[in-house]
Amino acid sequence: AQSVSQHNHHVILSEAASLELGCNYSYGGTVNLFWYVQYPGQHLQLLLKYFSGDPLVKGIKGFEAEFIKSKFSFNLRKPSVQWSDTAEYFCAVIASGGSYIPTFGRGTSLIVHP
Amino acid sequence: GAVVSQHPSRVICKSGTSVKIECRSLDFQATTMFWYRQFPKQSLMLMATSNEGSKATYEQGVEKDKFLINHASLTLSTLTVTSAHPEDSSFYICSASRRGYGYTFGSGTRLTVV
Repeated sequence: AQSVSQHNHHVILSEAASLELGCNYSYGGTVNLFWYVQYPGQHLQLLLKYFSGDPLVKGIKGFEAEFIKSKFSFNLRKPSVQWSDTAEYFCAVIASGGSYIPTFGRGTSLIVHP
Repeated sequence: GAVVSQHPSRVICKSGTSVKIECRSLDFQATTMFWYRQFPKQSLMLMATSNEGSKATYEQGVEKDKFLINHASLTLSTLTVTSAHPEDSSFYICSASRRGYGYTFGSGTRLTVV
């Protein structure tokens, strides 16, 4: 079974700082990869996803993620964060050809100070 | 875009009573619906997967007699927590999927059992 590891559990940044959140997974086959965001008091929303093609994926609100197959990683990045980016971020992996059920990382809590 | 409505958003019930949570896909037919439980500071944990018209598949350790899942149509799935106890207090989230279109999450239900 696949597993997902998010290394940073809590990240605190000032506005305009750059952000990179790590996500590594353990599965040797083809994967679909997702980043979700949960703003305070709201439901989970999809930030971006990778199915195939260009490994650099652009998402909403200026986020991007890069799939590096050799490193089993799908790190989330944003060059300049805003206070409104304060939220919980979840990485998820689906193993293609399996039951199509996502496995989530434990989440990273991001706090951006104005 | 795809919208999933989850109701109620918050519920407080007495120990020993049952609570029903509804998950509706408003503008698409969901072939599969998932129910997750979120423990504080932990990742979403999959409880069960339900396909329309068939019995739900429960994850190991989830009591199927306690967490009753019904997926009566392609747009509605319900989770009933029977004989609730304080340890069932948690945040429950559903998600609906149509193959190839990713996942859409409900807004979650905060259950408090007193």
